[in-house]
Amino acid sequence: NAGVTQTPKFQVLKTGQSMTLQCAQDMNHNSMYWYRQDPGMGLRLIYYSASEGTTDKGEVPNGYNVSRLNKREFSLRLESAAPSQTSVYFCASRWGTDSPLHFGNGTRLTVT
Amino acid sequence: AQSVTQLGSHVSVSEGALVLLRCNYSSSVPPYLFWYVQYPNQGLQLLLKYTSAATLVKGINGFEAEFKKSETSFHLTKPSAHMSDAAEYFCAVGRTGGAQKLVFGQGTRLTINP
Repeated sequence: NAGVTQTPKFQVLKTGQSMTLQCAQDMNHNSMYWYRQDPGMGLRLIYYSASEGTTDKGEVPNGYNVSRLNKREFSLRLESAAPSQTSVYFCASRWGTDSPLHFGNGTRLTVT
Repeated sequence: AQSVTQLGSHVSVSEGALVLLRCNYSSSVPPYLFWYVQYPNQGLQLLLKYTSAATLVKGINGFEAEFKKSETSFHLTKPSAHMSDAAEYFCAVGRTGGAQKLVFGQGTRLTINP
């Protein structure tokens, strides 16, 4: 049982380049999330998908787009990367509102 | 709106000593509360959760937390620290009523001294 799988694990981009972070879960969870983690700031929600076919903005959505491709997969796209998007990105999923989040191992992104 | 404040970005204790990590929350409705642990280069793992049943919640690895509504607190404790407890700990709050967002605190890095 793989849980939440994120790819890639590491990525270096130049300013202005685009990329998509992939996330897949095999737990049949309804909700999926993208967070970014920066030192001293905890985890901040970028976007989430409460159920297949829906997506909503979190605290810090600017510069990002998401796609809930199906129940298993939720991707995060950076259309034009900026140095301020250097961070560790975590995908998470859960069954319902009172159930805990299950996290992937993260993608470490550096934008130069 | 919900918010979480973790008091102390770094906590250092001796092996065998009491661990106390503080978390205060703000929520206009009954909250769900969670503690997560993050080991280096890994994602977050659930330690324990409070969902309005017992106010004293026991989690994995000997940790527990007590929900105190009057103090809006959900502090994490462990009676005797072990070297393997060194990690970063995050408190998070969600809300009842169908909302989907979890709000995380800034994190507390726990160091264990031999």
